[in-house]
Amino acid sequence: SQQGEEDPQALSIQEGENATMNCSYKTSINNLQWYRQNSGRGLVHLILIRSNEREKHSGRLRVTLDTSKKSSSLLITASRAADTASYFCATTDSGNTPLVFGKGTRLSVIA
Amino acid sequence: DTAVSQTPKYLVTQMGNDKSIKCEQNLGHDTMYWYKQDSKKFLKIMFSYNNKELIINETVPNRFSPKSPDKAHLNLHINSLELGDSAVYFCASSQVKSGNAGYTFGSGTRLTVV
Repeated sequence: SQQGEEDPQALSIQEGENATMNCSYKTSINNLQWYRQNSGRGLVHLILIRSNEREKHSGRLRVTLDTSKKSSSLLITASRAADTASYFCATTDSGNTPLVFGKGTRLSVIA
Repeated sequence: DTAVSQTPKYLVTQMGNDKSIKCEQNLGHDTMYWYKQDSKKFLKIMFSYNNKELIINETVPNRFSPKSPDKAHLNLHINSLELGDSAVYFCASSQVKSGNAGYTFGSGTRLTVV
């Protein structure tokens, strides 16, 4: 069953602007991960944040996690045309379960 | 030096045929997965294998049969293909069982059933 729900479904911004995508989930989690998928390609792992962490950074990416609200956000700063892709959040509980993915946010960065 | 490789990349076949998709990873990961991505980009887990043993088998028709000859390979065989099987199938692997580590995905196999 689908766990994560990204918001917005689609986002269009100008190069240099920041992009924020949100993910809400339903049940308790062990960790939450963000992935990027370029058109016609496989998914690429971006960042993993554990349930006891609140914020994580990786280059131009910043991820926050609020377990009380069952939500996470992905911020991409100073966006580039190459950031154009679909972004997915994925979660797993503490059991023996594979990642469950949301529907994704389609980001378009216009040069 | 591709980490997770799938073949073929594209597969067009007629209804009723049987086809296989192969997946290999050279990362030394213990766990491998098959996901199906539909036309709306929704990704759904199909199977999960840890060290050649089936862990997860989601509600998938028994026309789909995974086979793992060793922990570096996880192939997917599909019998009696139906129009609804058309999708992109992704193989993935991870270092640790379940989701406690990032997954490495293959580039996908686009299956079209006509």
